[in-house]
Amino acid sequence: EVQLVQSGAEVKKPGESLKISCKGSGYSFSNYWIAWVRQMPGRGLEWMAMIYPGDSDTRYSPSLQGQVTMSADKSISTAYLQWSGLGASDTAIYYCARQEYYTRTVDVWGQGTTVTVSS
Amino acid sequence: QSALTQPASVSGSPGQSITISCTGSGSDVGRYKFVSWFQQHPGNAPKLMIYEASKRPPGASNRFSGSKSGNTASLTISGLQAEDEADYFCCSYGGSSTLLFGGGTKLTVL
Repeated sequence: EVQLVQSGAEVKKPGESLKISCKGSGYSFSNYWIAWVRQMPGRGLEWMAMIYPGDSDTRYSPSLQGQVTMSADKSISTAYLQWSGLGASDTAIYYCARQEYYTRTVDVWGQGTTVTVSS
Repeated sequence: QSALTQPASVSGSPGQSITISCTGSGSDVGRYKFVSWFQQHPGNAPKLMIYEASKRPPGASNRFSGSKSGNTASLTISGLQAEDEADYFCCSYGGSSTLLFGGGTKLTVL
């Protein structure tokens, strides 16, 4: 079974750093893009960025460039999303998802990681 | 404000059919066949229901169908069931490796 399992919920203060993870199984992790999608409270979905674990090629949404950093360790089939200084507006559920290149489709989703930033 | 426009809510009775629209522009929905639809129940991750505008992935119910005309894509659910009550999001390739989502539509089964 193809699965993406994400790290647990986080509660952070403004200005703190954070790194969340997404571990894939049941498929060749290196050969599929991993996308990060956020869902702010009561809002829709927003595509943030994607990474190709095979060579760590990354693509970012123009509106989020520089605000987050993606990385991946293909040896342990895990992708990461990190912040160097969180703000209240980063409060959201963050999903990782497998993004299929040829259909441009996000076909398998992780369970989501809830990030709460509050003083 | 989301990149793609969806109605905030739709409703229908069990057994009926409903259609949810998703309007973009000539730079996304109108330009590419890569339109997807997702179902999201409260507290759960989204689930892929339609890809490439009209294709169903394995495991998706054949009561769900998709179409695209010009800058507007549509999702039709036939034979409505109580379990279909959920939020539905459209998604289009926007070029330059980006994906654009709609704001979501809440489906209520009366």
